[in-house]
Amino acid sequence: AQSVTQPDIHITVSEGASLELRCNYSYGATPYLFWYVQSPGQGLQLLLKYFSGDTLVQGIKGFEAEFKRSQSSFNLRKPSVHWSDAAEYFCAVAPPSGTYKYIFGTGTRLKVLA
Amino acid sequence: DGGITQSPKYLFRKEGQNVTLSCEQNLNHDAMYWYRQDPGQGLRLIYYSQIVNDFQKGDIAEGYSVSREKKESFPLTVTSAQKNPTAFYLCASSNPRGVGEGANVLTFGAGSRLTVL
Repeated sequence: AQSVTQPDIHITVSEGASLELRCNYSYGATPYLFWYVQSPGQGLQLLLKYFSGDTLVQGIKGFEAEFKRSQSSFNLRKPSVHWSDAAEYFCAVAPPSGTYKYIFGTGTRLKVLA
Repeated sequence: DGGITQSPKYLFRKEGQNVTLSCEQNLNHDAMYWYRQDPGQGLRLIYYSQIVNDFQKGDIAEGYSVSREKKESFPLTVTSAQKNPTAFYLCASSNPRGVGEGANVLTFGAGSRLTVL
């Protein structure tokens, strides 16, 4: 079955520290891959996406993600976290054609210590 | 600016009542979606629509209904048959057949929180 796993429900980091949020997926072929961020009580905002090509993708707010086919992973990274990065982060996948069935992970809530 | 507008932001319902959540987009997207979000469960698809006058059930359609009479609008009705409707509801849209930067990307509204009293 197609699925997305975000193994960390909560992560706490200090401001200025590096961050890596994990995402693993189970899919028949290489899907489209996404990371979204959600502030409390708000909608989701796209951070970055991977469709094809260079496996290291850059997004907004200084985030990047690396697609590793052999590990079925798409981990999100940021070299230096800011207090404003505190939010919930969702990884998602979708089929590369006729894209309607987006599958979301259960999210990772990030807390940033001052 | 283009975007998705959901209303109301907060809604309270008595048991046995139907309520309708509004979703309007001015992105000229063909596809629209409704998701339900509960703590710790991520987003679950309720209904989606690929084109006007057409929609398909998602994973948790029971107790919900939708319509797509206009490209810009995709209202969701939470009926009295939905036994546990308290949740955060998110509307989204996408351009699945387009090209360019925004193609195949879900754009979300700010959400509507429904509470059953």
